[in-house]
Amino acid sequence: AQSVTQLDSHVSVSEGTPVLLRCNYSSSYSPSLFWYVQHPNKGLQLLLKYTSAATLVKGINGFEAEFKKSETSFHLTKPSAHMSDAAEYFCVVSEQAGTALIFGKGTTLSVSS
Amino acid sequence: EPEVTQTPSHQVTQMGQEVILRCVPISNHLYFYWYRQILGQKVEFLVSFYNNEISEKSEIFDDQFSVERPDGSNFTLKIRSTKLEDSAMYFCASSEAASRMFFGEGSRLTVL
Repeated sequence: AQSVTQLDSHVSVSEGTPVLLRCNYSSSYSPSLFWYVQHPNKGLQLLLKYTSAATLVKGINGFEAEFKKSETSFHLTKPSAHMSDAAEYFCVVSEQAGTALIFGKGTTLSVSS
Repeated sequence: EPEVTQTPSHQVTQMGQEVILRCVPISNHLYFYWYRQILGQKVEFLVSFYNNEISEKSEIFDDQFSVERPDGSNFTLKIRSTKLEDSAMYFCASSEAASRMFFGEGSRLTVL
């Protein structure tokens, strides 16, 4: 069975400092992994996606994530936070295309000036 | 970028009433989904739909819920007799077979 654990419910950073949002997954097969972002009163926007190609995945807005099979992790990083990055971030796993996505509980990112 | 559109953006209804949430998926997509997010909780899968039938559903998707693709463009979620605990944000999504899933902006349902 698939599951996703986001290790931090809330992360606070200062503008210009690095961002690290942690995610561990459990899957019986080779999973597809995603990070989605949700800004207040907005829908879910795909940041990036891993599907067994390169283990370092680059996404939109300067975010990237590294798939580490040995650690069953898919942490999201950004070198320098911007105020507009403040949002809810979801780590998501899917075992194959067309099947249900399993969402983590989300991490709220706060960015202070 | 192509978009999934959902209507209404917000609906308030009385307990026991029927609600239909509408979605227009991206035109060449083949897989359609509904997810919901109760306030303060995580996003939960409800149902997926492919080739005019339900392909997968969660335990949340009981007999009160149904989905339909009535005219080849819309994809609807019907809740037959709403309960207080159905209050949530409902997200529609669509995808091609092996590509990213696109989500709509959600329909907020408030059951009084």
